Amino acid sequence: DAGITQSPRHKVTETGTPVTLRCHQTENHRYMYWYRQDPGHGLRLIHYSYGVKDTDKGEVSDGYSVSRSKTEDFLLTLESATSSQTSVYFCAITASSGGEQFFGPGTRLTVL
Amino acid sequence: GENVEQHPSTLSVQEGDSAVIKCTYSDSASNYFPWYKQELGKRPQLIIDIRSNVGEKKDQRIAVTLNKTAKHFSLHITETQPEDSAVYFCAASLIQGAQKLVFGQGTRLTINP
Repeated sequence: DAGITQSPRHKVTETGTPVTLRCHQTENHRYMYWYRQDPGHGLRLIHYSYGVKDTDKGEVSDGYSVSRSKTEDFLLTLESATSSQTSVYFCAITASSGGEQFFGPGTRLTVL
Repeated sequence: GENVEQHPSTLSVQEGDSAVIKCTYSDSASNYFPWYKQELGKRPQLIIDIRSNVGEKKDQRIAVTLNKTAKHFSLHITETQPEDSAVYFCAASLIQGAQKLVFGQGTRLTINP
């Protein structure tokens, strides 16, 4: 499992509330990613990180922010959750440039 | 930006037969093409990948072919087994630096006994 954990694994929240999802890795991987998975869309990149405090936007970044203050943790924040953000969120890592990408177990988020 | 199209969206084959899933990509700069298998409720698992300096790669019953000129790549599964039933995703990206994968929409493969 490449030492990746995500928390929480399931969350139900209400529209307008802030939500933070955590990705934790134990193997000092440089690159970390957040994707969302929705039926009919495959997986889409939200944000990614290439080092501590180094992050950039992916293809569906609107409404999301990220932070990486430590190598092992990559946080995804929904400042004000909307129903369109109901999805399964996957964290991923690549160990180095040119390496394979491995996924965490996922977080199922429901916004009512 | 990159766009990846995957076909078919569903595929049903008899156990023991072969299955082929096809993807096309738009950005000629892409040079890394992984395939992931995802079982219901689980994470995507990397099953095979190919880089643009090779045209074909094989791992037991699974093979991937790449045609850079036509910008398409395919997954071939031979001698299919019930445990091959899953959703398969292709993806494309640059291999260097942050690997910003762009995924196809997925193919639900069902193996009928």
